[in-house]
Amino acid sequence: EAGVTQFPSHSVIEKGQTVTLRCDPISGHDNLYWYRRVMGKEIKFLLHFVKESKQDESGMPNNRFLAERTGGTYSTLKVQPAELEDSGVYFCASSLYSSGGYYEQYFGPGTRLTVT
Amino acid sequence: AQSVTQLDSHVSVSEGTPVLLRCNYSSSYSPSLFWYVQHPNKGLQLLLKYTSAATLVKGINGFEAEFKKSETSFHLTKPSAHMSDAAEYFCVVSDLTTSGTYKYIFGTGTRLKVLA
Repeated sequence: EAGVTQFPSHSVIEKGQTVTLRCDPISGHDNLYWYRRVMGKEIKFLLHFVKESKQDESGMPNNRFLAERTGGTYSTLKVQPAELEDSGVYFCASSLYSSGGYYEQYFGPGTRLTVT
Repeated sequence: AQSVTQLDSHVSVSEGTPVLLRCNYSSSYSPSLFWYVQHPNKGLQLLLKYTSAATLVKGINGFEAEFKKSETSFHLTKPSAHMSDAAEYFCVVSDLTTSGTYKYIFGTGTRLKVLA
C-alpha cells in the first residue's frame, strides 16, 4: 500500500511569488490534513478535509493560503503571494476516520518551502 | 483545549543505555496520545498510541510508553538505545474540534542523539 506522498519535496521561491504544494493521501482515506512546521517551532495544524469538504480550517494563517481537494482525492495548498514567514516544512497526513480521537494519521515526508 | 509539553528539546544517550523522553499533557477529558518519530529527511512515523486501553503501551522498535493519569504524563522509554534511534520524537495529543472531529496537537519535539 502506497503511503502519503507530497510534491515537491523542496521548493525555493522569491517573496511575492506563488507556490502550490500537492498531497496524495492513502487510497480510501477520506480525511486529509495539512500541518506546518516553521523553523524552531512546533508542528501546527492548518486544516482538515473530509472528502472534498473543509471540515476545519481554523489553523490557516491568513487568506494568502488556499487549500483545495477537488473530487476528494489529492489536495493542493497554494500560497499566493508568498512571504518570508511562510518558510517551513508543510506536512500532509491522512486517516481513515476522524470521528474518534484515537485514529492515527499517516504522514507524508513533507515539503520544505523556502521563501527568499 | 488539549496541549502537550515535551520537557527536553535535546537528549543524548550512549548506545546500549536506556532512553527516556518526557511528555506531559493537559486534557479536559480522557486523551488519545501518540508518539511519532521523524528520521532525517523522512516523514513522521507512528511509534505507538494510547487510547484508554492498557496504560503501558508497546510500540515498534522496542519503544514503550506509560500513561499516568495522576502525573498527566506519557513518557517514552526504551531499555537500550541503538544508533538508528537517533531522530526527532514528537508527543501528540488528539484534540476535539468544534466540528466534532479531531486534530493533532504536537509537542515541540525532542532530538535524540545516540553516542557510540
